[in-house]
Amino acid sequence: KAGVTQTPRYLIKTRGQQVTLSCSPISGHRSVSWYQQTPGQGLQFLFEYFSETQRNKGNFPGRFSGRQFSNSRSEMNVSTLELGDSALYLCASSLGTTSYEQYFGPGTRLTVT
Amino acid sequence: DQQVKQNSPSLSVQEGRISILNCDYTNSMFDYFLWYKKYPAEGPTFLISISSIKDKNEDGRFTVFLNKSAKHLSLHIVPSQPGDSAVYFCAASLWVGTASKLTFGTGTRLQVTL
Repeated sequence: KAGVTQTPRYLIKTRGQQVTLSCSPISGHRSVSWYQQTPGQGLQFLFEYFSETQRNKGNFPGRFSGRQFSNSRSEMNVSTLELGDSALYLCASSLGTTSYEQYFGPGTRLTVT
Repeated sequence: DQQVKQNSPSLSVQEGRISILNCDYTNSMFDYFLWYKKYPAEGPTFLISISSIKDKNEDGRFTVFLNKSAKHLSLHIVPSQPGDSAVYFCAASLWVGTASKLTFGTGTRLQVTL
């Protein structure tokens, strides 16, 4: 069974631009969560989608948004990029029901200059 | 407010010895705890978990202990191997509405030396 895939793997953007990251979950998984990882901050939860609906949201500004499609693929968008948005963005999928375990993709490394 | 804390950013252990990674939490409503391992340029991979109704769970070389009264959990790796060198994250689950939300610690970098 294929794992979680994320595209692109690396991205360089300029302040003020916007970016869209993509995540394809494991087949059969209906929940997709997004995390931001920065040095010293661990994994900060952004939001979670289940069956095209946002179920949970972390404490990030409205510049961070996401969506999920009917095939469970998810996209995350960051508008008006700031230098502090430079991070590794991780996507994780799970069955989304009673399963606690999440399966992570390799991440997208975003650098904002 | 960091509800899940890993106070040791790094740990160095000799091959064959025991590695003990610690994690503290503040929210008594967490009902499930997990440990993930992360290698550079890869996403975290699930290692082992424990329900809040248990105090120990073992899987091969890995054992997780939970002390609810102290709000503390630990991961023991015995014996430690060079391939165990990675960053380890503990995570705690809380049900929010109809979903389980994971809160992660900041990670501990384990280095197993020869």
